[in-house]
Formats: sequence, structure tokens, C-alpha cells
Amino acid sequence: QSVVTQAPSASGTPGQRVTISCSGSSSNIGRNNVNWYQQLPGTAPKLLIHTDNQRPSGVPDRFSGSKSGTSASLAISGLQSGDEADYYCAVWDDRFNAGVFGGGTKLTVL
Amino acid sequence: EVQLLESGGGLVQPGGSLRLSCAASGFTFNKYPMTWVRQAPGKGLEWVSAIGGTGDDTKYAASVRGRFTIARDNSKDTLYLQMNSLTVEDTAIYYCARDWKCDYWGQGTPVTVSS
Repeated sequence: QSVVTQAPSASGTPGQRVTISCSGSSSNIGRNNVNWYQQLPGTAPKLLIHTDNQRPSGVPDRFSGSKSGTSASLAISGLQSGDEADYYCAVWDDRFNAGVFGGGTKLTVL
Repeated sequence: EVQLLESGGGLVQPGGSLRLSCAASGFTFNKYPMTWVRQAPGKGLEWVSAIGGTGDDTKYAASVRGRFTIARDNSKDTLYLQMNSLTVEDTAIYYCARDWKCDYWGQGTPVTVSS
């Protein structure tokens, strides 16, 4: 059981907007930056969003991040079949003095 | 182009040791912290350890603290993970990544702990 929780699955149809949430506490999301990663099947993870809402160069603006209190969200608009992947949030936890990943959300494009 | 190439994975018996390496290129290695992340078969990502640019600042997940040691050789642009007292729960693909935020990842090296 991770200290940062994500729903195990999410789904949407092409063109739709979906949101993936990440819930933590005051020792992690409440005080530190959240990053989001996309892992396509059989590949290494890729950074999608860093510092809560910043997109690295090359990441489409269909992907956006936000944070409020002890929760963070990743939104994907204009859903495409190629977005089918596992999505992970990650954050530093001051209580454990270590990084933590959420359990991951498997996104299915119907 | 940033490249990270892990090596050193393999099959090891419970209680054994292994040292992973991560060769970095395409950036000024000593300017960046580095991170190890692992993924057990069919499971999610697990943060393992990280080290500051100079090597003085090291962090560990509770699950590996006291058994794993992270280190770096900035003269060789290489990151290491010394893994001792391995258990079956350490079986995973081990990724190295650049920076605390893991902005670039290697392709991973598999570690299997089994008798």
C-alpha cells in the first residue's frame, strides 16, 4: 500500500478528456512538487509533468497537471489510442525522507 | 542527446550481492542528482535511492536501507547501486534516471533473485 494513492484504472473514448488523481498527505503532496510519468507497454517510463504543472519540451499540451492541498491531478484532453498506458504520480515524502510513487493508473482508450 | 545505459543485472541467489552500473552521456553528469527506480514483474514503480551531484547526499527507501548503497564516479560519468543481502522481493527491472524528478530514464537492467 503506497502512501500516495491512485485509482488502479481509468478509461475514456477518443477525443474525450480524462483525469487521473493522486492523493497524498501533508508530508508529501501537501508540501512538495508532484511529477507525473507515462509508461507505455514494454517501455521505460517517461516524464510527462514536473513541478506540479510544468510540461517538459516535446510533451503535447493535451497533458496538464494541477495540485490542490494534498491531491494532484493529471488531465489528458483529446484522448488518443496512443495514450493507452500506465500513469504514475511521484513526490518526495518528508516523513520518510524518500521519494514515493503512486500505485499507478492503467488508462484504457475504449 | 541524454543517454543512460544500465548494466550489471542478472540472476543471483537469495542472500547474494550484485552491483548495477549506469553509464551516462549527453549531459554534464556531475551537475545532476541521479535516481534508481525499480519495477517488480507486473507491478508499479518503486523509488529506490537517489544521490546528489557531488555524491555527498544519499537517500534510500526503507525497503533497501542498510542493504543497498548508491554511489557515483563523476570522473567516469557512472552511477552505481551496490545491492547486498538480496531477497526474492528485490526481483525487478532496475532503472536509473537523471535528477530528483527523473526527467530521463535508461532502458533498465533486470535483476532476478531466485534459488
